[in-house]
Amino acid sequence: AQSVTQLGSHVSVSEGALVLLRCNYSSSVPPYLFWYVQYPNQGLQLLLKYTTGATLVKGINGFEAEFKKSETSFHLTKPSAHMSDAAEYFCARLSGGYNKLIFGAGTRLAVHP
Amino acid sequence: EAQVTQNPRYLITVTGKKLTVTCSQNMNHEYMSWYRQDPGLGLRQIYYSMNVEVTDKGDVPEGYKVSRKEKRNFPLILESPSPNQTSLYFCASSLGFDNEQFFGPGTRLTVL
Repeated sequence: AQSVTQLGSHVSVSEGALVLLRCNYSSSVPPYLFWYVQYPNQGLQLLLKYTTGATLVKGINGFEAEFKKSETSFHLTKPSAHMSDAAEYFCARLSGGYNKLIFGAGTRLAVHP
Repeated sequence: EAQVTQNPRYLITVTGKKLTVTCSQNMNHEYMSWYRQDPGLGLRQIYYSMNVEVTDKGDVPEGYKVSRKEKRNFPLILESPSPNQTSLYFCASSLGFDNEQFFGPGTRLTVL
């Protein structure tokens, strides 16, 4: 079955530290992959997406993710965390039938001074 | 401004009282979808629509209905809500399946 696994439901970092949010997917073929961010009381906003081509994808707010087929991973990183990055982050993949997004359970990022 | 709107944003109701959550997009998108978000489960698709009068079930369609009479609107109907439908609901739209999905602000529903 197609699935998306996010390791760690809660991640806490210091301001200025590296942010690493992990995402693994199950698939026999490379999928379309997405990272969304959800700020409190808001809808989801697209951070970045991978479809084909370059495996290192740059997104908004300084985030980037690298598609690694051999590891079936699509981890999200940011070199230096900011207080405003505190939010919930969702990794998602397009289903094989292309009719929906399959989401991971989400990772809540806390940034402390 | 390009956006997806949902109404109401918050709703508390009682078991069995029919309700409708509206969703509207102003981007002329063909594809629209409803998701519910529950803690620890992420978002799960309820129904989706590929165009006017074309709808299909997602992963968790039981207890829900949808309609797509106009391209811009995609209401979610709960004919007889039950407490297990207490959740946060999101409507989303996109130009096509593999394009970015734009999400509405969410509707928090509580069924007592």
